[in-house]
Amino acid sequence: DTAVSQTPKYLVTQMGNDKSIKCEQNLGHDTMYWYKQDSKKFLKIMFSYNNKELIINETVPNRFSPKSPDKAHLNLHINSLELGDSAVYFCASSHPGPQETQYFGPGTRLLVL
Amino acid sequence: AQSVSQHNHHVILSEAASLELGCNYSYGGTVNLFWYVQYPGQHLQLLLKYFSGDPLVKGIKGFEAEFIKSKFSFNLRKPSVQWSDTAEYFCAVNPRGGADGLTFGKGTHLIIQP
Repeated sequence: DTAVSQTPKYLVTQMGNDKSIKCEQNLGHDTMYWYKQDSKKFLKIMFSYNNKELIINETVPNRFSPKSPDKAHLNLHINSLELGDSAVYFCASSHPGPQETQYFGPGTRLLVL
Repeated sequence: AQSVSQHNHHVILSEAASLELGCNYSYGGTVNLFWYVQYPGQHLQLLLKYFSGDPLVKGIKGFEAEFIKSKFSFNLRKPSVQWSDTAEYFCAVNPRGGADGLTFGKGTHLIIQP
């Protein structure tokens, strides 16, 4: 009964490849997010989706594209992978509102060689 | 835009010592405040949160935090740490009422020596 799940857990790939990371939540939340955690453990918001609409898009390269087939899923597709994309990517979900609390998935560790 | 500052990047304590991790934020409006913990190789877990009301909030595993509005601070405390508290601790904020992403501090790496 995992609340927020991600696949794969580990992803090793070559530069230039295209890859996707999947995220699913069974909490019934309206909003889902992607965060990137770099090698220094710094976490930064990348995207969020609310009812299939992108509502945040920080200064992320357009090689990254979030795709949400439905409210329970938010996948992250990355084109032309670069060495600097190596990081841990976390998915999260929440109900927006005055007491919004985000719940995180287990993370996907991406290594670009 | 909001920002979060965690003053202690690395903290080493002995078991049973008391802990206080500092967190300050900057934002012109009302925010929700959070502490998350990340055990080695694991995902982020919510330790505690503050929305409104009593500025002293209690979380899981014996942790508590105090919101001091005048100081824009939300420091995390635990009276007696255990070896299992070794982890990375993140303070985070988001503006109240919106579906904004969390803004995180850079984290504090806590090591508890047995």
